[in-house]
Amino acid sequence: GAVVSQHPSRVICKSGTSVKIECRSLDFQATTMFWYRQFPKQSLMLMATSNEGSKATYEQGVEKDKFLINHASLTLSTLTVTSAHPEDSSFYICSARLGPTDTQYFGPGTRLTVL
Amino acid sequence: GQSLEQPSEVTAVEGAIVQINCTYQTSGFYGLSWYQQHDGGAPTFLSYNALDGLEETGRFSSFLSRSDSYGYLLLQELQMKDSASYFCAVRSLSGNTGKLIFGQGTTLQVKP
Repeated sequence: GAVVSQHPSRVICKSGTSVKIECRSLDFQATTMFWYRQFPKQSLMLMATSNEGSKATYEQGVEKDKFLINHASLTLSTLTVTSAHPEDSSFYICSARLGPTDTQYFGPGTRLTVL
Repeated sequence: GQSLEQPSEVTAVEGAIVQINCTYQTSGFYGLSWYQQHDGGAPTFLSYNALDGLEETGRFSSFLSRSDSYGYLLLQELQMKDSASYFCAVRSLSGNTGKLIFGQGTTLQVKP
């Protein structure tokens, strides 16, 4: 399967600061990337869909000004959690795919802890 | 609305066979995928069914019946390392980009 990387794998930050998470497709060009968050023992909740060169599409209830997504190239998307608060602490996972009918491959996830 | 239902927990012993069912109600259905996720890890792709029938990949098989909006994942010759959460996910082509809609996950515990 295709390889997707995420960086950092783990981050701890103070409340009020911003954190940037990178998602890269290593061996294919991803026209679309997705960002999910997952709380312990729960399912993956889709936050937004990111298409290269265009604005992200956010799911209902997700604040686009708080979770900034940039998809600058076919291999890189970034999620910035702005003014982070403890309730933003979660496991953030990205996925990438080539086309709308193709399999999504997931990155290893980023564990965010906001103190 | 869109929803997927799967059992929350399943327990089985090593060497046994277990079936994890998934029923779905979604719009713009394109296919049913299965993912495995170990504690603290990311989901890994297991299988995908776009058409009715059984797909076999080693010890894992997946089945789909589109008329019944139903599918299952079959795990054979269970091993301790199969203890994980298993998610069914519908590929939906609603909207311009399509997306995966995940079930709540089934925690499989394999006992010696």
